[in-house]
Amino acid sequence: GAGVSQSPSNKVTEKGKDVELRCDPISGHTALYWYRQSLGQGLEFLIYFQGNSAPDKSGLPSDRFSAERTGGSVSTLTIQRTQQEDSAVYLCASSLVRSGYGYTFGSGTRLTVV
Amino acid sequence: TQLLEQSPQFLSIQEGENLTVYCNSSSVFSSLQWYRQEPGEGPVLLVTVVTGGEVKKLKRLTFQFGDARKDSSLHITAAQPGDTGLYLCAGVLDSSYKLIFGSGTRLLVRP
Repeated sequence: GAGVSQSPSNKVTEKGKDVELRCDPISGHTALYWYRQSLGQGLEFLIYFQGNSAPDKSGLPSDRFSAERTGGSVSTLTIQRTQQEDSAVYLCASSLVRSGYGYTFGSGTRLTVV
Repeated sequence: TQLLEQSPQFLSIQEGENLTVYCNSSSVFSSLQWYRQEPGEGPVLLVTVVTGGEVKKLKRLTFQFGDARKDSSLHITAAQPGDTGLYLCAGVLDSSYKLIFGSGTRLLVRP
């Protein structure tokens, strides 16, 4: 597609439930990143995928968080047993190869845990 | 501790005024980027600077990368209400690929 697509745009879930967030990167972009943004703040790195290489998971805050990227394209971020502190906007970005020249971000998924 | 410190955190100015936003670090970056984010949207790339001392201009916006590649500034001339938003600097450390973000500067331009 023309841009990075994320779904759902909004998700409200009960504490303790699992959620899945989806990201469709720009076609041909081999690098994919997930970031988390708390209200009005900067972005916190979560995980990075590059082609078929092992992902860099160093930013995942706990073992309740996991992510997959199937076929080098679509990615799913899963949060198990959600907690209220997981509430944030989850942003996905993609770029050509690994890029110091700018990422294209999706509009994000706003997750609210009640 | 933030690797990239942005200042000010919040800026409210009148239309037509000039402003500068700063992004500072003790680390050296191979490149540094500036993004602008509006409510409900993802950040949008404004510019990338890669050479120490580099200056780039984008209409009323001037971006500068420090000589030592540790800091950057964004200067807006004659600000307009349409410039309102969250401005984020982000850098790639030497020998890395991860984009590290500053905490952002929220700009409000009053008509």
